[in-house]
Amino acid sequence: NAGVMQNPRHLVRRRGQEARLRCSPMKGHSHVYWYRQLPEEGLKFMVYLQKENIIDESGMPKERFSAEFPKEGPSILRIQQVVRGDSAAYFCASSPSTRQGYEQYFGPGTRLTVT
Amino acid sequence: KQEVTQIPAALSVPEGENLVLNCSFTDSAIYNLQWFRQDPGKGLTSLLLIQSSQREQTSGRLNASLDKSSGRSTLYIAASQPGDSATYLCAVNTGNQFYFGTGTSLTVIP
Repeated sequence: NAGVMQNPRHLVRRRGQEARLRCSPMKGHSHVYWYRQLPEEGLKFMVYLQKENIIDESGMPKERFSAEFPKEGPSILRIQQVVRGDSAAYFCASSPSTRQGYEQYFGPGTRLTVT
Repeated sequence: KQEVTQIPAALSVPEGENLVLNCSFTDSAIYNLQWFRQDPGKGLTSLLLIQSSQREQTSGRLNASLDKSSGRSTLYIAASQPGDSATYLCAVNTGNQFYFGTGTSLTVIP
């Protein structure tokens, strides 16, 4: 059973370009979470999605950031018009449920560098 | 809002020593608490998951305890090895998300 997969592992974008980060959850998992880890900081929650629904986006910046988890295919975190402050590691996690007892399994992350 | 604090921020010990990492959280309304290990430039590896109704969990040389009422958890590592060198993160699950501490950076000296 493959773990959570993220691609690309490393992404370089120039200021003003768009970044698209992909996350494929573990088989059988229908819940996806995105986190951001800024340099020298801890992981911060961004958004929680189930298939075709955004459940909690309280950690998402109000502008330029969006996320989706379509019925088919991976979850996508999209950052429009990137700025240098967006440089960070973006981690995706999945779980089979949010009911008590279920842990989150993390992917290897995508390291975004904005030049 | 839930806040998670880890002490110490960094720890250096000689090989073979037993050690304790501390994690505290401000809101006791959690579903579970999870300890992770993160190697430089890598993702997170889950070490132990403790349900809110449990007091401790053990896996090999690792033992994690949870005192939900006081908002504390500890990770005990027995007979430390150089391969244990990494950053250790604790995270509390409030249902929709995990709140992470900033981690303890552990170095085990051969």
